[in-house]
Amino acid sequence: TAGITQAPTSQILAAGRSMTLRCTQDMRHNAMYWYRQDLGLGLRLIHYSNTAGTTGKGEVPDGYSVSRANTDDFPLTLASAVPSQTSVYFCASSDIGTPEKLFFGSGTQLSVL
Amino acid sequence: GESVGLHLPTLSVQEGDNSIINCAYSNSASDYFIWYKQESGKGPQFIIDIRSNMDKRQGQRVTVLLNKTVKHLSLQIAATQPGDSAVYFCAERTGFQKLVFGTGTRLLVSP
Repeated sequence: TAGITQAPTSQILAAGRSMTLRCTQDMRHNAMYWYRQDLGLGLRLIHYSNTAGTTGKGEVPDGYSVSRANTDDFPLTLASAVPSQTSVYFCASSDIGTPEKLFFGSGTQLSVL
Repeated sequence: GESVGLHLPTLSVQEGDNSIINCAYSNSASDYFIWYKQESGKGPQFIIDIRSNMDKRQGQRVTVLLNKTVKHLSLQIAATQPGDSAVYFCAERTGFQKLVFGTGTRLLVSP
């Protein structure tokens, strides 16, 4: 079982450029999440979605947007990247009844220069 | 120990020893406390959770203890193995889909 698949694995991006991080799950989980992980700050929630067609803002949503056209896919878009968005990005999913039990992808290392 | 907000970098143990990773939390209203394991180059992996109305929960080789009086959470790993080497994060659920993660403790297991 693949679980959560993220792409790309890593990316170097020029400041001001846009980029979409892809995330696909095969567990039929209703809820999906995007976190960023920065040294010394732990994991912080960017956006989440409880079901296809709905999204919500997390702790650090500024500069990011998401969409949830179907159950399986939850892309994260940076419209105009800035160096402070350099981070490791993790997509996760959970059953809606157990939101504390997250299943994470392997992450995307993004460097904005 | 680790705190949701503070950082304890490394815990070194010998293979076969028991490991104890500590975490302090701040929100007395949190209803779930969770431990995740993150190996190098991978995403975090759920280990075990405990509801706020429990003091102790056991899994396979792991035990989580919750002391609500002092807002302290610990993860005990029995007979630590080299494969247990990883960064361990505690998290508290402060709302239905609101998890606050700690900054992690690195566990190094020496043969």
